[in-house]
Amino acid sequence: NAGVTQTPKFRVLKTGQSMTLLCAQDMNHEYMYWYRQDPGMGLRLIHYSVGEGTTAKGEVPDGYNVSRLKKQNFLLGLESAAPSQTSVYFCASSSNPPGAPHEQYFGPGTRLTVT
Amino acid sequence: GEDVEQSLFLSVREGDSSVINCTYTDSSSTYLYWYKQEPGAGLQLLTYIFSNMDMKQDQRLTVLLNKKDKHLSLRIADTQTGDSAIYFCAESKVTGGGNKLTFGTGTQLKVEL
Repeated sequence: NAGVTQTPKFRVLKTGQSMTLLCAQDMNHEYMYWYRQDPGMGLRLIHYSVGEGTTAKGEVPDGYNVSRLKKQNFLLGLESAAPSQTSVYFCASSSNPPGAPHEQYFGPGTRLTVT
Repeated sequence: GEDVEQSLFLSVREGDSSVINCTYTDSSSTYLYWYKQEPGAGLQLLTYIFSNMDMKQDQRLTVLLNKKDKHLSLRIADTQTGDSAIYFCAESKVTGGGNKLTFGTGTQLKVEL
């Protein structure tokens, strides 16, 4: 049981390049999330998914796209990277049972630098 | 609004108690949470409190909730060097798009010998 995994762990991109970050979870969770973490700003939600085939915008969705073709995978795409997208990206998943505490399980993060 | 605020840094000596504070604005939150992030890792749930409680104790951790003032605190007794990490408070809210968490800015706890 690996939990939540993210690939790659590190990446350096030039402005204008594209890339896809992969998140995978083996806990059969319905909900998955992509966050970015920047110094002094905590975690900000980029996009999320409430089930296979669904996606929704979070707090800071501009410049990113996502897809959830399989329940266990949630992909985050950057079509044309910008220096403002330099950040640490975290994926999380949860089962979200009704009325219960909402525990999210986080991956180890991807450190992205855009030059 | 859904702003969650924390102070950025806290430094304590090993063996002392640490108190990390958080204020939130969304009074409809059903649960409030404390997550811990160790260096180079993702966040892990440390503890949580239901919104109709005012205190929860779990070993060295004590969570206090003042719902009137929308203030949450985490007390760590007998703080150890292994407690050095970033601590995030978070609130949850069920919206039409599902259950989401809003995280604070994080408090970096440094434990000195």
